[in-house]
Amino acid sequence: DSGVTQTPKHLITATGQRVTLRCSPRSGDLSVYWYQQSLDQGLQFLIQYYNGEERAKGNILERFSAQQFPDLHSELNLSSLELGDSALYFCASSARLGPRRGSGELFFGEGSRLTVL
Amino acid sequence: GQSLEQPSEVTAVEGAIVQINCTYQTSGFYGLSWYQQHDGGAPTFLSYNGLDGLEETGRFSSFLSRSDSYGYLLLQELQMKDSASYFCAVRDPGDSSYKLIFGSGTRLLVRP
Repeated sequence: DSGVTQTPKHLITATGQRVTLRCSPRSGDLSVYWYQQSLDQGLQFLIQYYNGEERAKGNILERFSAQQFPDLHSELNLSSLELGDSALYFCASSARLGPRRGSGELFFGEGSRLTVL
Repeated sequence: GQSLEQPSEVTAVEGAIVQINCTYQTSGFYGLSWYQQHDGGAPTFLSYNGLDGLEETGRFSSFLSRSDSYGYLLLQELQMKDSASYFCAVRDPGDSSYKLIFGSGTRLLVRP
């Protein structure tokens, strides 16, 4: 158990709809990262928050948005869903910006599997 | 920008040794990490190399050559449970976020 909690684990919805994915980082971790993994693909970086502020953006679609709240949990909002948005969405956390010095470790949640029909 | 290349698939026999290579191109370098991911599961951290040489953790070892922009993950005494995808990753220093950028992954199939 990494200590990172993601909900829901599975979500099935229709094209055009909007969903919200939630992530609670490990206790005390200030950074939250969102990654998208399509079928048999790698982990594509979407967005990072640090202590409530957006820190970095990847190739995140304009239909997607995220935020980190004062209690440090984060939400990823996906709107106007398309079939191609079907994927596993992972949240990861770290204590500070990036893995701690001398380590490459981020702590990943179990992911939210989104299916768009 | 950052880019990492890995073979897409490797097959090996139970009990054997397998090496998964990773070459990278980065504008700055803060070490090479390796992650394991079983189908549908969360990526889990395996190993990190900040300096050249070999790091050993049980049956797994990881090697780095910064001059060659190259690293590998070595899995010994393969077990069926090692069948998974393996990702190399580097920190992206470009925007001071230090997020990890992942390679496309190598799917390892261990056969009896």
